[in-house]
Amino acid sequence: SAVISQKPSRDICQRGTSLTIQCQVDSQVTMMFWYRQQPGQSLTLIATANQGSEATYESGFVIDKFPISRPNLTFSTLTVSNMSPEDSSIYLCSVVGTSGLLDTQYFGPGTRLTVL
Amino acid sequence: GQQLNQSPQSMFIQEGEDVSMNCTSSSIFNTWLWYKQDPGEGPVLLIALYKAGELTSNGRLTAQFGITRKDSFLNISASIPSDVGIYFCAGRSGGSNYKLTFGKGTLLTVNP
Repeated sequence: SAVISQKPSRDICQRGTSLTIQCQVDSQVTMMFWYRQQPGQSLTLIATANQGSEATYESGFVIDKFPISRPNLTFSTLTVSNMSPEDSSIYLCSVVGTSGLLDTQYFGPGTRLTVL
Repeated sequence: GQQLNQSPQSMFIQEGEDVSMNCTSSSIFNTWLWYKQDPGEGPVLLIALYKAGELTSNGRLTAQFGITRKDSFLNISASIPSDVGIYFCAGRSGGSNYKLTFGKGTLLTVNP
């Protein structure tokens, strides 16, 4: 399984500011994703982070609000821009890895964001 | 879009009891995954299912991929206090599509 770390683990931010979250994987992976988990809710996919090209966003999420970078196969960043209290959530990085011959999906520990 | 119905929403059980939760989908999935999330942590993969009818165990956990490919269940036997947490099912359509659709989760509380 892949080992995933995220920074920061948590942050409290002021309205109108931006926060960049980092995701580092201990091995090269082809697929990386960013999910959001609002308080008491399930996980919602924000976008697929594509290496060397623009991320692919899901309905309801746009690049201006959630710019994503993926410069190589082990690292990605998600920026939450011009934050409002509604952006308070856990943001999770996820990768597709292999277990034996089969691929599966693993999650990082998450970044808990509170916007005041 | 695809939707997953996960039930029950929450469960309160005594230590030692068995637990069962399930997910049903409006469409077919080629992969079912079950995760557990502890407070303040990311989801941890418990069991992955890749074939219709597949029954897989991981210690006290057993999960099955429904024959219709539209449902899956997770059983926990002889529950212990550390089983407390939120359990999520997730489905994937397959092929080159690795996007996961998640259920709303089952909150499990185990009374010692």
